[in-house]
Amino acid sequence: DGGITQSPKYLFRKEGQNVTLSCEQNLNHDAMYWYRQDPGQGLRLIYYSQIVNDFQKGDIAEGYSVSREKKESFPLTVTSAQKNPTAFYLCASRFGETQYFGPGTRLLVL
Amino acid sequence: KQEVTQIPAALSVPEGENLVLNCSFTDSAIYNLQWFRQDPGKGLTSLLLIQSSQREQTSGRLNASLDKSSGRSTLYIAASQPGDSATYLCAAPLGGSTLGRLYFGRGTQLTVWP
Repeated sequence: DGGITQSPKYLFRKEGQNVTLSCEQNLNHDAMYWYRQDPGQGLRLIYYSQIVNDFQKGDIAEGYSVSREKKESFPLTVTSAQKNPTAFYLCASRFGETQYFGPGTRLLVL
Repeated sequence: KQEVTQIPAALSVPEGENLVLNCSFTDSAIYNLQWFRQDPGKGLTSLLLIQSSQREQTSGRLNASLDKSSGRSTLYIAASQPGDSATYLCAAPLGGSTLGRLYFGRGTQLTVWP
């Protein structure tokens, strides 16, 4: 089955802790994206990558970091510098002009 | 400021009604606009991608239109069904972006009751 997988489905973060959200795709897409969604809000772009070993900041990159060492993987780390991390995180990849989304990870703070 | 706005924020209709969801954007130079569906707690599913050279795009009971000059797009759902209940989001690459950066509206939460 081709698609985008995100894990875990739920993630709990303690104060001062860094956590990493996984995003994997087997669609052979070059471009990948991380979005954050807050209740009643549209999606906001955190980071994006057009190709392996390259990525750019989106609109709300502060407190987050990413890596793109492999084409199929684009993990997002939520650092302790992100003071309000509770949100629904969505990963996407792009083919042509269409973006395809994973099922999301809900991050909660303990 | 580049923005995508969706009205209404919520809509509740009886089964069988035809309905229209609205999306407006600030950039008349967009080259496409995409409509997505999101079920509660799930990711987004692409419904329709409409190019700036097209005026309409259809898929089953869904029809999307795009009017760049007025900065508006509409999603028409014919003969609505309870299974259509979801949040519908529109998104566009504003500001001439060619890197796939999308700007999203906040969505319209649709409830279709039997």
